[in-house]
Amino acid sequence: DAGVIQSPRHEVTEMGQEVTLRCKPISGHDYLFWYRQTMMRGLELLIYFNNNVPIDDSGMPEDRFSAKMPNASFSTLKIQPSEPRDSAVYFCASSNRGLDYGYTFGSGTRLTVV
Amino acid sequence: QKEVEQNSGPLSVPEGAIASLNCTYSDRGSQSFFWYRQYSGKSPELIMFIYSNGDKEDGRFTAQLNKASQYVSLLIRDSQPSDSATYLCAVSGLSGGYNKLIFGAGTRLAVHP
Repeated sequence: DAGVIQSPRHEVTEMGQEVTLRCKPISGHDYLFWYRQTMMRGLELLIYFNNNVPIDDSGMPEDRFSAKMPNASFSTLKIQPSEPRDSAVYFCASSNRGLDYGYTFGSGTRLTVV
Repeated sequence: QKEVEQNSGPLSVPEGAIASLNCTYSDRGSQSFFWYRQYSGKSPELIMFIYSNGDKEDGRFTAQLNKASQYVSLLIRDSQPSDSATYLCAVSGLSGGYNKLIFGAGTRLAVHP
């Protein structure tokens, strides 16, 4: 299995630009999570999906962030417009055993907004 | 109070020693507890999970859970330089109305030869 695949690995963008992060979960996993990691705040859950349906988006910082999962093998996290404080590593994770079991994380996307 | 608390470290131990990493949590209803290892610049990797009070051993790793005291710990025996990483404690808990994994900020472990 290829694991959770994220793209791009690195993204540098200018403030105000739109950024789209992509994730392909492990085949057969019905839960998908988007996390953000910073030195100050650690690993924060932004949103998670179950069977392609968004369940809890309470961690999404503000309306500039949106996430979609059009099918079982693809999800996007979009930031529009981006701001320097959005700079972080964004991880996607998936699970086939529910919310409170171990997740498999992707390699992450390091986002830098200048 | 943070939901999951860890000492940020660094915890420095000599090669061959036992490294002890601790974590406390606030939600008494938490049922599942996990330890993840994260090397610098890499993604978190699950190394242990525990659901019941007591000890659970897996190779050089032992997870310990005490629900009454609301703490979980990870012992690494015969520590190796390759164990140098940040160790994240994750606890299932109710947050925002949903049961989810909540991560601590992590403890950085440095094993020196």
